[in-house]
Amino acid sequence: DAGVIQSPRHEVTEMGQEVTLRCKPISGHNSLFWYRQTMMRGLELLIYFNNNVPIDDSGMPEDRFSAKMPNASFSTLKIQPSEPRDSAVYFCASSLTSTGNTEAFFGQGTRLTVV
Amino acid sequence: GNSVTQMEGPVTLSEEAFLTINCTYTATGYPSLFWYVQYPGEGLQLLLKATKADDKGSNKGFEATYRKETTSFHLEKGSVQVSDSAVYFCALSERGFQKLVFGTGTRLLVSP
Repeated sequence: DAGVIQSPRHEVTEMGQEVTLRCKPISGHNSLFWYRQTMMRGLELLIYFNNNVPIDDSGMPEDRFSAKMPNASFSTLKIQPSEPRDSAVYFCASSLTSTGNTEAFFGQGTRLTVV
Repeated sequence: GNSVTQMEGPVTLSEEAFLTINCTYTATGYPSLFWYVQYPGEGLQLLLKATKADDKGSNKGFEATYRKETTSFHLEKGSVQVSDSAVYFCALSERGFQKLVFGTGTRLLVSP
């Protein structure tokens, strides 16, 4: 398996523009997580899905952020409108939790820069 | 709520030195514990894990023992290499829950 695949790897956009980050989890995994990493705040969980259903979105910063998982092999994180303070590395991770094992596999991340 | 506390970095060592990175946790139940490593420009990779008290996780010369009495999961390595330079994250997951709670990360710098 190719692992968790995120796209794009880098994104530079202007303030006010819409940004969409994409994630393909490992085939067969049933949980998907979106994290944000910054120097100031470290690694923050934004939202996670189980069996394509959002379970906990309490980490989503505000209404400008939204996430979807239309099927088991694809998820998006959208920011509209984007702001400079959204600049960060966004990671997607997936895991198979049917056995209670919560080992998560991470993608390589999307580095977002909002200017 | 659940939380993980790690020692602040950076930790700077010479090659072949002994490494300890401290990690303590707070949890309401019996969590599983993990160490993840992040190399520059990459995502996090699982380094080792332990799922119950007194378990020892090990991988690539790194070890950590699940200590319930001290709520700790300290990472150790007997002889570090330059290639071990990375950021190390301690994490926990409460049994029955899917999400991981991470510490703030500790940067390790190993010089030749």
